[in-house]
Amino acid sequence: GQSLEQPSEVTAVEGAIVQINCTYQTSGFYGLSWYQQHDGGAPTFLSYNALDGLEETGRFSSFLSRSDSYGYLLLQELQMKDSASYFCAVKAAGNKLTFGGGTRVLVKP
Amino acid sequence: DSGVTQTPKHLITATGQRVTLRCSPRSGDLSVYWYQQSLDQGLQFLIQYYNGEERAKGNILERFSAQQFPDLHSELNLSSLELGDSALYFCASSLRGAQGRGNTIYFGEGSWLTVV
Repeated sequence: GQSLEQPSEVTAVEGAIVQINCTYQTSGFYGLSWYQQHDGGAPTFLSYNALDGLEETGRFSSFLSRSDSYGYLLLQELQMKDSASYFCAVKAAGNKLTFGGGTRVLVKP
Repeated sequence: DSGVTQTPKHLITATGQRVTLRCSPRSGDLSVYWYQQSLDQGLQFLIQYYNGEERAKGNILERFSAQQFPDLHSELNLSSLELGDSALYFCASSLRGAQGRGNTIYFGEGSWLTVV
């Protein structure tokens, strides 16, 4: 089966940088995705990495190392609206997208 | 607004009962996914349909079933409900059946189910 590990909570101040790590164990790995979910809201897609390296999308960047079964989401220039839960997810054999337990990011003024 | 529509938004029912959750995917999307999110839990994949056929199965209980109709909307049926089934049930859709680059999954706002 698949398993993903990510920290449960991170707190930072506005303007700071936060890195959310995700380690995974899976069979037939195809890619690592990141989703953002505000309280009571729907998860929204942030990024997808299929190959090693860094993908940058505005203030958010995502990194993948397939050899280390590891990835991270980097949130830069934190804003209050970035307070949310962030989930990593792996696409693996069987076409299943499996999510981690989520990291709650709390941004303080 | 993701374009994925779920009904009902909220539902309260008693143990032992049966409910049906409905999902309309984004226009043009052929794949529908169902996820369960319990309080303070991650997203648990239940099942995926692609163009009317079951494509992948996750940790879906035998008391639960789903289907995708010819017009591509989907229903998740939950029966013999237990207190532990109380959760937020998300439907998501994507254009293609394989998840990955160029095939973003879009989530609906979810259906809150409370079993009392």
